[in-house]
Amino acid sequence: GNSVTQMEGPVTLSEEAFLTINCTYTATGYPSLFWYVQYPGEGLQLLLKATKADDKGSNKGFEATYRKETTSFHLEKGSVQVSDSAVYFCALTMLYNQGGKLIFGQGTELSVKP
Amino acid sequence: DTGVSQDPRHKITKRGQNVTFRCDPISEHNRLYWYRQTLGQGPEFLTYFQNEAQLEKSRLLSDRFSAERPKGSFSTLEIQRTEQGDSAMYLCASSSYRGRVEKLFFGSGTQLSVL
Repeated sequence: GNSVTQMEGPVTLSEEAFLTINCTYTATGYPSLFWYVQYPGEGLQLLLKATKADDKGSNKGFEATYRKETTSFHLEKGSVQVSDSAVYFCALTMLYNQGGKLIFGQGTELSVKP
Repeated sequence: DTGVSQDPRHKITKRGQNVTFRCDPISEHNRLYWYRQTLGQGPEFLTYFQNEAQLEKSRLLSDRFSAERPKGSFSTLEIQRTEQGDSAMYLCASSSYRGRVEKLFFGSGTQLSVL
């Protein structure tokens, strides 16, 4: 079946460090890919998305590129801030008209220290 | 704040009791989703509505679970004869579907603990 695998957390970084959170997927077909973020005490929020191969999603300094050849959608940020501390979820959807039916990874907790 | 709201935030119940959760989506959103999230895992899809019609239910949604969205506005999720395995965070999300890839807006969830 379709699935998403993320790197295990927690990830602890110092402020201004470079961030990579790995995400790989298994899908029969061509999914759309997403990163959602969950700040403490808040609901999940869409961070960025990519709908076809080689698309790059970006938002708030975060980027992820849809790599069909490696079935990956790794999240990167050049310089993290304490305010980026949150849980990050990679997700996919298979059906264009059921884009809200998401398959999530297990989440990766990020903790940024000053 | 006009985001997705869920009520209650926390619910503690005894095994065998029935519980009901409510979700109020963003007012102009036509789609509403329910997800379940257990500790250390990502959310799992349960069911979704387009307006008042329930379009799909996951096999995770046993016959003890029922969801409604009367009049296409708020939604309720009821669990009958709760079991300890039902303990989880229940998330609601809504979107404005216009035939494109959707952006979901999530509520903060209802944390259910079954004792």
